[in-house]
Amino acid sequence: DGGITQSPKYLFRKEGQNVTLSCEQNLNHDAMYWYRQDPGQGLRLIYYSQIVNDFQKGDIAEGYSVSREKKESFPLTVTSAQKNPTAFYLCASISGGNRNTEAFFGQGTRLTVV
Amino acid sequence: AQSVTQPDIHITVSEGASLELRCNYSYGATPYLFWYVQSPGQGLQLLLKYFSGDTLVQGIKGFEAEFKRSQSSFNLRKPSVHWSDAAEYFCAAAGGTSYGKLTFGQGTILTVHP
Repeated sequence: DGGITQSPKYLFRKEGQNVTLSCEQNLNHDAMYWYRQDPGQGLRLIYYSQIVNDFQKGDIAEGYSVSREKKESFPLTVTSAQKNPTAFYLCASISGGNRNTEAFFGQGTRLTVV
Repeated sequence: AQSVTQPDIHITVSEGASLELRCNYSYGATPYLFWYVQSPGQGLQLLLKYFSGDTLVQGIKGFEAEFKRSQSSFNLRKPSVHWSDAAEYFCAAAGGTSYGKLTFGQGTILTVHP
């Protein structure tokens, strides 16, 4: 079945550590996105990539980094520079760019700083 | 700046009652518009989408939405709410000519009373 897989589902990070969240899609979508979700704040865009080896900062990119070496993969690294990383992280990929445009989401990764 | 606003943070309705969730957008041109639903701890599921043409869009689970250009709105409606509709609902918009940034509203939490 086609879809987006995020792993792990739960992740615990110690202060000062970098952690990487995985996002893989087999939908052959060009565009991929990372969102952070906090209660009452909706989904805020961290980074997005519209093509391999290229990506753009979203609204809250500070303290995060990404790479897009393959079409299928868009990992997100939460660095020690991110002061408040505890949140629910969602990855999405988008098809189309026309009438068929639709975003598909993974099941999310809940990151907790301990 | 492009933005999506959902004015209602929390709405409570009785089972069987009608429902309307509000969404307003601010974009340079008419964007692609979406409504998503999220159950606790899960990813997002697409309910419906609008690109052009008929301003009344039908979606899954008995939901519909009406695009009103003059009001920059895309409100979600359902004639009779079921207890299983309790969830968080997100309105989203994307640039009309490319993938661009998929921007979300803050979300509306729906509670359904028996």
